[in-house]
Amino acid sequence: DTGVSQDPRHKITKRGQNVTFRCDPISEHNRLYWYRQTLGQGPEFLTYFQNEAQLEKSRLLSDRFSAERPKGSFSTLEIQRTEQGDSAMYLCASSLVDIRTGYGYTFGSGTRLTVV
Amino acid sequence: AQSVTQLGSHVSVSEGALVLLRCNYSSSVPPYLFWYVQYPNQGLQLLLKYTSAATLVKGINGFEAEFKKSETSFHLTKPSAHMSDAAEYFCAVSEGGGKLIFGQGTELSVKP
Repeated sequence: DTGVSQDPRHKITKRGQNVTFRCDPISEHNRLYWYRQTLGQGPEFLTYFQNEAQLEKSRLLSDRFSAERPKGSFSTLEIQRTEQGDSAMYLCASSLVDIRTGYGYTFGSGTRLTVV
Repeated sequence: AQSVTQLGSHVSVSEGALVLLRCNYSSSVPPYLFWYVQYPNQGLQLLLKYTSAATLVKGINGFEAEFKKSETSFHLTKPSAHMSDAAEYFCAVSEGGGKLIFGQGTELSVKP
């Protein structure tokens, strides 16, 4: 297990369609995060899980967004009724909760979503 | 709430020159601080992190950063820029629960 995997790398969808992204974290990491990055901006936090529990959701995560991590391993992020404003890079990261190491985050390569 | 400010959205240096990317943070508790690099259409790669141990932190690719509590700063430096250093750099602070708060980023250009 060499890193965090995200699938797909690129997704083009028509406005109004639903899309789902997948993230496979590093296997021994118990935390999984989703971030959104728009062009020219830093990543913005969306939500995170500790094992299978979703512990926090950002106000950026509207009702059209839902994330799951059913067995505490991989996670999915679904966007329903996509809008052009959803076009962004969606980044997944995982970490091992360890105060000594200050949360060793590892990011995936991201899924770039384009809504046309 | 914690926040991060990166001064200068774009920095240009000549190859071999000093790289200095500025980051200031606000936090009501001792922070964890990070610098990440991002190449086009890629995810973020960790350069270095501060976790309340040594205030001078050495990272990969010759980068280092110094935590200065009195100035609430965590500037990133590299003595001699290389063409391969051209990328977007993000400073981030860790808030309670482990989520990261990122700055807006600084694009580094390296001129031959």
